[in-house]
Amino acid sequence: DGGITQSPKYLFRKEGQNVTLSCEQNLNHDAMYWYRQDPGQGLRLIYYSQIVNDFQKGDIAEGYSVSREKKESFPLTVTSAQKNPTAFYLCASILTATSTDTQYFGPGTRLTVL
Amino acid sequence: AQKITQTQPGMFVQEKEAVTLDCTYDTSDPSYGLFWYKQPSSGEMIFLIYQGSYDQQNATEGRYSLNFQKARKSANLVISASQLGDSAMYFCAMRTNNAGNMLTFGGGTRLMVKP
Repeated sequence: DGGITQSPKYLFRKEGQNVTLSCEQNLNHDAMYWYRQDPGQGLRLIYYSQIVNDFQKGDIAEGYSVSREKKESFPLTVTSAQKNPTAFYLCASILTATSTDTQYFGPGTRLTVL
Repeated sequence: AQKITQTQPGMFVQEKEAVTLDCTYDTSDPSYGLFWYKQPSSGEMIFLIYQGSYDQQNATEGRYSLNFQKARKSANLVISASQLGDSAMYFCAMRTNNAGNMLTFGGGTRLMVKP
């Protein structure tokens, strides 16, 4: 089945640690996105990538980093510089950055800082 | 700058009745798209319906329809014949003609269907 997978589903981190969230898609989509969702709120864009080896900052990129070495993979690293990282993280993809199609979302990773 | 506003934090509806979830938007771009997503307690985002700014007719998808009033900049979601499984968060989102195909989301409305 084609789709987007995110792992792990739940992640616990100690303060001061970096953690990496995985996002993989087999939809052959060019563009991929990372969103953050805080409780009771909408989604905010962290980073996006339109093609391999290229990515752009979104609205709340501080304290996060990404890479796009392969078309199907767009991992997100939450660094120790992110002051309040506890949140729900959603990855999405779309065929191309100019497509009129909808974005397709993964199941999300819930990150908790202990 | 783009903005999406959902003014109803929570709503109740009786099973089998219709409900309208409000969404207003603000953009200066003449070309844009409006989306509605459903987010159940599991957290996944499920695409429901799409309306393009140049579409002449209101979008419909099964029990979902979009009441698009361009002059008022509103794109309300109408769910007919509510079911218990409709209980979830609902998000309105907008995509303008921007590089990167980014979405701007509203704050969401929690819908609770009563049996």
